[in-house]
Amino acid sequence: GESVGLHLPTLSVQEGDNSIINCAYSNSASDYFIWYKQESGKGPQFIIDIRSNMDKRQGQRVTVLLNKTVKHLSLQIAATQPGDSAVYFCAERIHFGNEKLTFGTGTRLTIIP
Amino acid sequence: EAGVAQSPRYKIIEKRQSVAFWCNPISGHATLYWYQQILGQGPKLLIQFQNNGVVDDSQLPKDRFSAERLKGVDSTLKIQPAKLEDSAVYLCASSLVAEEQFFGPGTRLTVL
Repeated sequence: GESVGLHLPTLSVQEGDNSIINCAYSNSASDYFIWYKQESGKGPQFIIDIRSNMDKRQGQRVTVLLNKTVKHLSLQIAATQPGDSAVYFCAERIHFGNEKLTFGTGTRLTIIP
Repeated sequence: EAGVAQSPRYKIIEKRQSVAFWCNPISGHATLYWYQQILGQGPKLLIQFQNNGVVDDSQLPKDRFSAERLKGVDSTLKIQPAKLEDSAVYLCASSLVAEEQFFGPGTRLTVL
């Protein structure tokens, strides 16, 4: 069935370095992808999104790359800060107009001071 | 603008007891979602409302879970009776447009 998974459950990065969080999805019909950040005791917070007709999108310190050929999504965070420590989830939407999102398991990012 | 509000933030009950969670979405958001997030996993959609109508409840365990959104604003999610495996964080989210869902802080339920 459709699933969204992450390659690495945990990731530790030195403060100031760049981090890359990866995500694999299985459904080629997915048309929209979102990265969420979830800090301890809080709900997921929207970071950045990308549609399937794009392969790259940039935000403030974050970049999302989409490779539809291998069904792979990545989140790059530049110049990581202690506040970036959190669990990051990718989510996919399979059909336009259906707002249902399928979330992956998540990657815990720890920034080392 | 105020975010999605949820209460209570924490709840501890014994198995077979009942529990209810409340959600107040962002003003003007027609779509409301309830998710279950088990420790170490991503959120899983339980039910989605559009105004006061159910859009998707395919993953809601209807033998014990129920949800309502009577006036198209606030919503309640009830579990009756609770099982040990219901221990999780229950997240409420709302959206104005299809793409961006805003999440509340969640209610952490522990079933003993």
